[in-house]
Amino acid sequence: AQTVTQSQPEMSVQEAETVTLSCTYDTSENNYYLFWYKQPPSRQMILVIRQEAYKQQNATENRFSVNFQKAAKSFSLKISDSQLGDTAMYFCAFISGTSYGKLTFGQGTILTVHP
Amino acid sequence: SQTIHQWPATLVQPVGSPLSLECTVEGTSNPNLYWYRQAAGRGLQLLFYSVGIGQISSEVPQNLSASRPQDRQFILSSKKLLLSDSGFYLCAWDPPGEKLFFGSGTQLSVL
Repeated sequence: AQTVTQSQPEMSVQEAETVTLSCTYDTSENNYYLFWYKQPPSRQMILVIRQEAYKQQNATENRFSVNFQKAAKSFSLKISDSQLGDTAMYFCAFISGTSYGKLTFGQGTILTVHP
Repeated sequence: SQTIHQWPATLVQPVGSPLSLECTVEGTSNPNLYWYRQAAGRGLQLLFYSVGIGQISSEVPQNLSASRPQDRQFILSSKKLLLSDSGFYLCAWDPPGEKLFFGSGTQLSVL
């Protein structure tokens, strides 16, 4: 079974600075996808970024980028130029390439951006 | 455009009462549909998924059931709610070529 671990229950950062959220996972599969979801106080789950395991290039979406280390099974999220609206719970998630939407989630990291 | 609707947004129910949460998807056909639950301060857990009308797979044993009476409709039900059924319930679906988008969620409080 796959597991996803987020070892940082809470993080904080000053506005305009950079922060990195950690995620590790465990799987025996070679074909899979990794995601970061953002859950603001509204509790809406918002897809931030995704990474296909077969791609060596790290995914980037505007101020959000990942550091995907497949051999180490690590998938960290870097948020540059942090904004107050980035304050949220962030979840790392894994899905097998052969599965449907059966995501395995980490426990989440609460990120607070301070003005 | 494709959208997912989920209601109600909040629900307070007494123990032992029935439950019906509804989710519908617009702008697509034959979507894969999912029900997730989020306990307070924790990650999401997949409860049910459906790949077509009448096709339901359960991921965890529980007091809940799911049904898919129409192609774009997914219903989460219970005959008798337990205190442990409290939580935040999210419906989700797979747009073509994408991976999992979520509805706005239902906060269920069982008292």
